[in-house]
Amino acid sequence: EAQVTQNPRYLITVTGKKLTVTCSQNMNHEYMSWYRQDPGLGLRQIYYSMNVEVTDKGDVPEGYKVSRKEKRNFPLILESPSPNQTSLYFCASSFTRGGRPGELFFGEGSRLTVL
Amino acid sequence: AQSVSQHNHHVILSEAASLELGCNYSYGGTVNLFWYVQYPGQHLQLLLKYFSGDPLVKGIKGFEAEFIKSKFSFNLRKPSVQWSDTAEYFCAVNARWDDKIIFGKGTRLHILP
Repeated sequence: EAQVTQNPRYLITVTGKKLTVTCSQNMNHEYMSWYRQDPGLGLRQIYYSMNVEVTDKGDVPEGYKVSRKEKRNFPLILESPSPNQTSLYFCASSFTRGGRPGELFFGEGSRLTVL
Repeated sequence: AQSVSQHNHHVILSEAASLELGCNYSYGGTVNLFWYVQYPGQHLQLLLKYFSGDPLVKGIKGFEAEFIKSKFSFNLRKPSVQWSDTAEYFCAVNARWDDKIIFGKGTRLHILP
């Protein structure tokens, strides 16, 4: 089954404790992206990757890191989480069309609470 | 900065009413356009997309959208809504000179049975 898998789905942590949210897709998509969803703000792009070893900042990259060492995986790293990073996080992937991202396939979401 | 505006934040309709949700974007140049739906407690799913060709696009579940280039708009429509259409709807835009996909803030649609 074609899917984007995120883990963990739910996490409560404390300020400053490093954490990683994993994302894996089995559709051989070139493009992968992380979004955070907050009430009244919609989805905001954190980082994206056009392909292996190619990553770039979205609109809200502060406090986050990513890596793309393999095509299928795109982990999101919070080196020192803070309460303002409490949010619902979505990983998404797509094929590229003419070198640009196409329709996104989303993971189930990871709800993160930072105390 | 490029932006995507969804004018209606919360819409309440009765079943069988017609629906139109507005979406405007501020990009110049050629764009790819999308509407996604998020049912309560679920992840986002694609409703429909526009890359080129006929500006009237038909999607799943009876939804359609019209791309009007001169108005920078991509409004979503459905002639007769159902209770099961209760969800949050997001418009998204990708400018063809950019790698980002920018989302609007979403419209919460509540259908009364």
